[in-house]
Amino acid sequence: QSALTQPASVSGSPGQSITISCTGTSSDVGAYKFVSWFQQYPGKAPKIIIFDVSGRPSGISNRFSGSKSGNTASLTISGLQAEDEADYYCSSYTVSDTLLFGGGTKLTVL
Amino acid sequence: QRQLVESGGGVVQPGRSLRLSCAASGFTLSSHGMHWVRQAPGKGLHWVAGMDYAGGSKTYYADFAKGRFTISRDASKNVVYLEMSSLRVEDTALYYCAKDMDFFSFDVWGQGTMVTVSS
Repeated sequence: QSALTQPASVSGSPGQSITISCTGTSSDVGAYKFVSWFQQYPGKAPKIIIFDVSGRPSGISNRFSGSKSGNTASLTISGLQAEDEADYYCSSYTVSDTLLFGGGTKLTVL
Repeated sequence: QRQLVESGGGVVQPGRSLRLSCAASGFTLSSHGMHWVRQAPGKGLHWVAGMDYAGGSKTYYADFAKGRFTISRDASKNVVYLEMSSLRVEDTALYYCAKDMDFFSFDVWGQGTMVTVSS
């Protein structure tokens, strides 16, 4: 199975909003609500920031929001801050009882 | 404080086997689904295997892991394992274990244990 498709990189200035897309198929992203987003800093373990398409775990800033339309999920970060500079990964449960990750997106805060 | 600590990684020759362990503290491992995710150096995340909470017995495997890797748990020790056999060079990666908070969404991660497959 191929990884979900994410842009390799995105960038934005402090205070701006950015959106990262995650495109799959009707067998994964389009099939279920089980889409998550993870933030990973270099040398650190991933941290969940969105679950079930748009759920925010306790302690995660409301600057992070998730959505889905058809086979594409999206992560929006509003009020961009320097500390948001990290790698971001989406994931989705699939009809084959497996989990697919996206290839990852490097966010640069200008 | 919920914590996961992986161990068992190391350097192994192609074709050999290795068992990774993941010890949980601060929560009962058998009450949650548990998974393994790997990340090759400088690369992205790849899900490896998972298992339902102890109430169920279902296990899940990525295509590359089927037939070679086995996920299991010892509830009495609060530990989850990943038995890996017929290891290949491409299995070289940092292996994380992760706790499921809902369904295939991971809220607690270990620090990872490095597996290097090389002759």
